[in-house]
Amino acid sequence: GAGVSQSPRYKVAKRGQDVALRCDPISGHVSLFWYQQALGQGPEFLTYFQNEAQLDKSGLPSDRFFAERPEGSVSTLKIQRTQQEDSAVYLCASRQSGSSSYNEQFFGPGTRLTVL
Amino acid sequence: AQSVTQPDIHITVSEGASLELRCNYSYGATPYLFWYVQSPGQGLQLLLKYFSGDTLVQGIKGFEAEFKRSQSSFNLRKPSVHWSDAAEYFCAVILTGGGNKLTFGTGTQLKVEL
Repeated sequence: GAGVSQSPRYKVAKRGQDVALRCDPISGHVSLFWYQQALGQGPEFLTYFQNEAQLDKSGLPSDRFFAERPEGSVSTLKIQRTQQEDSAVYLCASRQSGSSSYNEQFFGPGTRLTVL
Repeated sequence: AQSVTQPDIHITVSEGASLELRCNYSYGATPYLFWYVQSPGQGLQLLLKYFSGDTLVQGIKGFEAEFKRSQSSFNLRKPSVHWSDAAEYFCAVILTGGGNKLTFGTGTQLKVEL
């Protein structure tokens, strides 16, 4: 079946613009994660959803970052008033189960955001 | 501080040679342990994981990893590297006892010489 998809794959924004990044998880997957990967670094956790509930947003770096998953499937990560330090690859992952943290997270190809 | 360490930023091996990528973690309890591979333009793909039991874990693409509690290590190995193994490799953990997020190391970039 289809894997996790993300759009757009590439986004260039001017500093101060708002951006919205979309994630389509694997159908039926309960859990959804967002990670941020800066150049030369490993991914870092941003936020976690179980169905439509955002259970953990401890990794969001500032109140300019906002994520939602209103119907428990597609998720959008929004960044307001983008700054140069927001330039990174944003990865989405989904997991079939809600509570079993040992189960595999399946990753999308990511959205590369460049803020000029 | 709690962390995942991959001491080697870059490794170069010849095709057909053996490979070992190092990973150490620093947590009070043994976390769930994972190895992921990331190829250019591709998403992260899970190679293998360890929860408990046999400390030698077999994964996809001929990879294996050995958990050593005494050394807080989870090193990835492959007996004979193929040119297609060139990629970036990430060690990651999930804390046992309720955690959900993956915490990644900084990665090891593998180059394979033909």
